[in-house]
Amino acid sequence: NAGVTQTPKFQVLKTGQSMTLQCAQDMNHEYMSWYRQDPGMGLRLIHYSVGAGITDQGEVPNGYNVSRSTTEDFPLRLLSAAPSQTSVYFCASSYSPGGWGNEQFFGPGTRLTVL
Amino acid sequence: GNSVTQMEGPVTLSEEAFLTINCTYTATGYPSLFWYVQYPGEGLQLLLKATKADDKGSNKGFEATYRKETTSFHLEKGSVQVSDSAVYFCALTHTGTASKLTFGTGTRLQVTL
Repeated sequence: NAGVTQTPKFQVLKTGQSMTLQCAQDMNHEYMSWYRQDPGMGLRLIHYSVGAGITDQGEVPNGYNVSRSTTEDFPLRLLSAAPSQTSVYFCASSYSPGGWGNEQFFGPGTRLTVL
Repeated sequence: GNSVTQMEGPVTLSEEAFLTINCTYTATGYPSLFWYVQYPGEGLQLLLKATKADDKGSNKGFEATYRKETTSFHLEKGSVQVSDSAVYFCALTHTGTASKLTFGTGTRLQVTL
């Protein structure tokens, strides 16, 4: 199993550009999510999905879109990049939503810089 | 809402020293508690977890006990190694919130020879 994979590893954008961060998992996990990691702030939830066709907003959703057409993939779209979106982005998945103590598996991250 | 507070870092220790990283939380009901570790250049990995009061999670020599009376989940290790150098995150999730994790800000640990 490859686990959770993310592409690209690094990306530099100019303000106003759009891009998609890719995330895929091969563990047949129902639940997938996107976090951003900023210095001194830990990880904050952007969007999450409890299954194909179902998505919802997390703590910091503004400026980001998601869709979940398959169980395996959960891309994150930046429609018009802003310098405030400079961050490290992590995708995570777990077997099922809710319940007690479900472990989440994280991808290696995408480091995004917006100039 | 839910929140997690961790001690500020960085924490610098000599090899074989005792480690404690403090974590306290605010949540309604009975959350599950986690410690995740992030090694340089990598994503987060689950280190240990506890799902109910008085449970002790343990892994790789690390331990943490779920203390509901003090709303704490402090991470301890009796003898740290250089390979333990990483950032440690305390987190919680609440039943019914679709496994959404609330993280602390992270504590960087540096272990020297």
